[in-house]
Amino acid sequence: QKEVEQDPGPLSVPEGAIVSLNCTYSNSAFQYFMWYRQYSRKGPELLMYTYSSGNKEDGRFTAQVDKSSKYISLFIRDSQPSDSATYLCAMSPFSGGYNKLIFGAGTRLAVHP
Amino acid sequence: EPEVTQTPSHQVTQMGQEVILRCVPISNHLYFYWYRQILGQKVEFLVSFYNNEISEKSEIFDDQFSVERPDGSNFTLKIRSTKLEDSAMYFCASNGPLNTGELFFGEGSRLTVL
Repeated sequence: QKEVEQDPGPLSVPEGAIVSLNCTYSNSAFQYFMWYRQYSRKGPELLMYTYSSGNKEDGRFTAQVDKSSKYISLFIRDSQPSDSATYLCAMSPFSGGYNKLIFGAGTRLAVHP
Repeated sequence: EPEVTQTPSHQVTQMGQEVILRCVPISNHLYFYWYRQILGQKVEFLVSFYNNEISEKSEIFDDQFSVERPDGSNFTLKIRSTKLEDSAMYFCASNGPLNTGELFFGEGSRLTVL
């Protein structure tokens, strides 16, 4: 079983749709969960992070963590064509110090006008 | 906004040649990393570096690879004798201070080995 699983997509939605992106993981020690956005041939751009369980909201983005199910989600409301990118989940057992992230494969999202 | 900067953006080299990829992490960060992404694949951890020492390295990071912080601002990745399979995007990242885990990545250096 892979440590972090993420459906590679592609996911195609109309502008204005709510997008749901998900990852599952197997390592129960993970407690730091991050979402990155990556445009083609560019570096990962940090969108959101959550520590342990719960929800976090930032503008149109909401991150959810369910540690009991080892499942994390990123919701994008009112999606825009500029949201078209690959979304990477990443996680670690971080509790201070250096933070070695394990990445999912990334989900390619296309938002069409 | 502070950012991680990397040079060169693209390097083409012949197999067996040495390459050095350079990074300037965010100035008050303490932990530095190199990650790699082969085209179409996952972002993979290579090495973490703190207080002028390697904290952890992956099995990919063999004797052909080395890292250095030659001065107070630069962080370098050297590949001694490049192989075809080293062709990838190499990303530098940093985080800090002590209990902030958010890693910020540079735009990457694309390495093409011919």
